[in-house]
Amino acid sequence: EVQVVESGGGLVQPGGSLRLSCAASGFTFSNYWMSWVRQAPGKGLEWVASIKPDGSERYYVDSVRGRFTISRDNGKNSLHLEMNSLRAEDTAVYYCARARMAAGYAFDIWGQGTMVTVSS
Amino acid sequence: EIVLTQSPGTLSLSPGERATLSCRASQSLTSAYLAWYQQKPGQAPRLLIYGASSRATGIPDRFSGSGSGTDFTLTISRLEPEDFAVYYCQQYGTSPTWTFGQGTKVEIK
Repeated sequence: EVQVVESGGGLVQPGGSLRLSCAASGFTFSNYWMSWVRQAPGKGLEWVASIKPDGSERYYVDSVRGRFTISRDNGKNSLHLEMNSLRAEDTAVYYCARARMAAGYAFDIWGQGTMVTVSS
Repeated sequence: EIVLTQSPGTLSLSPGERATLSCRASQSLTSAYLAWYQQKPGQAPRLLIYGASSRATGIPDRFSGSGSGTDFTLTISRLEPEDFAVYYCQQYGTSPTWTFGQGTKVEIK
């Protein structure tokens, strides 16, 4: 079964750090762009970051650039999001998602999400 | 930066009715890079349509997408009870970046 499973969410104080992980299975992980998409409580979807299949290029939404780092380990079929200098507005469910080039880079596989709460 | 504006914000319809959802882009898009998703409460989004008009795997044919340039439409021909949800359009753009619309909620009338 093709799936991705996130972990690592939790409660963190403003200014703190957190590392999210995503374990992929059922597909050739190293062939796909991978991304993080978030959703604040009661709000819409927001793309956060993406990384090329070989990890050579990374892209971020302006609001997290310089604070968040996306990375991947193709040997372990895993994706990560290192989040630093966290703010209240980063509170959201964070989804790991696969982008399929043949589908115009649409996100065709999603995890169940992991909740990040930034609060004192 | 391309902005996607979805309308209406909420659509109140009855099962069996036709739903027409709009997604308007602030600049012309490449149709190949326009997608639609469905999200139900407490669940992850699900890809419905990619390339503006191609159904994703396992998506019923009552869902269809159309449009080009700046105007795109998701149509649900006959609403089933399980179709009441929030729908998002999304585009992949240069840089690269991914952008979502703000969503349309389809609720039971």
